[in-house]
Amino acid sequence: DTAVSQTPKYLVTQMGNDKSIKCEQNLGHDTMYWYKQDSKKFLKIMFSYNNKELIINETVPNRFSPKSPDKAHLNLHINSLELGDSAVYFCASRQGSTDTQYFGPGTRLTVL
Amino acid sequence: GNSVTQMEGPVTLSEEAFLTINCTYTATGYPSLFWYVQYPGEGLQLLLKATKADDKGSNKGFEATYRKETTSFHLEKGSVQVSDSAVYFCALSSSDSNYQLIWGAGTKLIIKP
Repeated sequence: DTAVSQTPKYLVTQMGNDKSIKCEQNLGHDTMYWYKQDSKKFLKIMFSYNNKELIINETVPNRFSPKSPDKAHLNLHINSLELGDSAVYFCASRQGSTDTQYFGPGTRLTVL
Repeated sequence: GNSVTQMEGPVTLSEEAFLTINCTYTATGYPSLFWYVQYPGEGLQLLLKATKADDKGSNKGFEATYRKETTSFHLEKGSVQVSDSAVYFCALSSSDSNYQLIWGAGTKLIIKP
């Protein structure tokens, strides 16, 4: 009964490839987020979607494109992967005007 | 803009010692404040939160009080265990930024038996 799930958990790929990370939440929440955690454990917001509409788009390279087919899913597609994209990517969701976010287990991306 | 500053680690303590991890914030309005914990190789777990001034969040023996006058939300535990070894993140969110979490840099806690 996982609340927020991400696939895959680990992703190892070569520079220049295109890859996607999927996120699904079964909590009925209307807002979803992507965060990036770098090698020094620093966390930063990347994107936020509310009811499938992009709300927050931080200064992320346009090689990163989020896609929300419905309220329960927020996928992250990355084109032309670079070494610096290696990180752990966390998906999270939240409901309405509440402030608590629920996190997925993370996807560790390694670019070789 | 909003920001969170927390003490640098690693913090190394002996089992049963008293723990304090300092966290201060800068924000407009009235943010909610959070502590998240990340155990080795795992994801982010909400440890506790507080939504208004003088609120105290508590969980698993950890406590933190929302102090508006000092813009602080320090994490404390009276007697730490080896199993508390993890990275602890202080964070804030506010409605004027769609509740995105603004994170501190994280503090690694190492508890020695």
